[in-house]
Amino acid sequence: DIQMTQSPSTLSASVGDRVTITCRASQSINSWLAWFQQKAGKAPKLLIYKASSLESGVPSRFSGSGSGTEFTLTISSLQPDDLATYYCQQYNGYPWTFGQGTKVEIK
Amino acid sequence: QVQLQESGPGLVKPSETLSLTCSVSGGSITNYYWNWIRQPPGKGLEWIGYVYYTGSTMDNPSLRSRVTISVDTSKNQISLKLRSVTAADTAVYYCARGTPVSGTPFFPSLDSWGQGTLVTVSS
Repeated sequence: DIQMTQSPSTLSASVGDRVTITCRASQSINSWLAWFQQKAGKAPKLLIYKASSLESGVPSRFSGSGSGTEFTLTISSLQPDDLATYYCQQYNGYPWTFGQGTKVEIK
Repeated sequence: QVQLQESGPGLVKPSETLSLTCSVSGGSITNYYWNWIRQPPGKGLEWIGYVYYTGSTMDNPSLRSRVTISVDTSKNQISLKLRSVTAADTAVYYCARGTPVSGTPFFPSLDSWGQGTLVTVSS
């Protein structure tokens, strides 16, 4: 299986801060990586697909980059509504796998 | 706007079969991948498998072939059966639509999710 490792596991930042989450794959997944946002008690929501494509309706403060084995999700200006856990997911090889999640807290 | 709704028993006994249905409304089942993903309480996400609208399937080997996923296009429903359950199968189960890259049947991204349903395995 392709292992997905996210860092950090938790981060605390202030409103307006630039926030970066990293996701590393145990082998190349080309650009077949998605990012999800999951708020407490809710289903995950797709933010980014194919590493850098912004899903329709998602605020432009979210962006994704990377290819191969290293990827990043950036929130350019953190907002109170961004309080959530963020997951990366690879869909290059079976079984599809998720990172362990990064919990974003607001200072 | 497509909507997905999971339904099924919230409590299943150990060694029995977990059966869930995902009802799709507001959109077609055709040309999409229909996935099941689960999340144990307080933990991360695990992909269980998918069924393509044609009926072809792929599942996670970690579930040791206990899984059957099927599609009923006449009812716009997807079903999940997980046999021989144990307490480790206790989780919120989500169905999710996989939308392929435009113009191809490949590399679907999980763009619409149901609200999820909690299934507890306990005697």
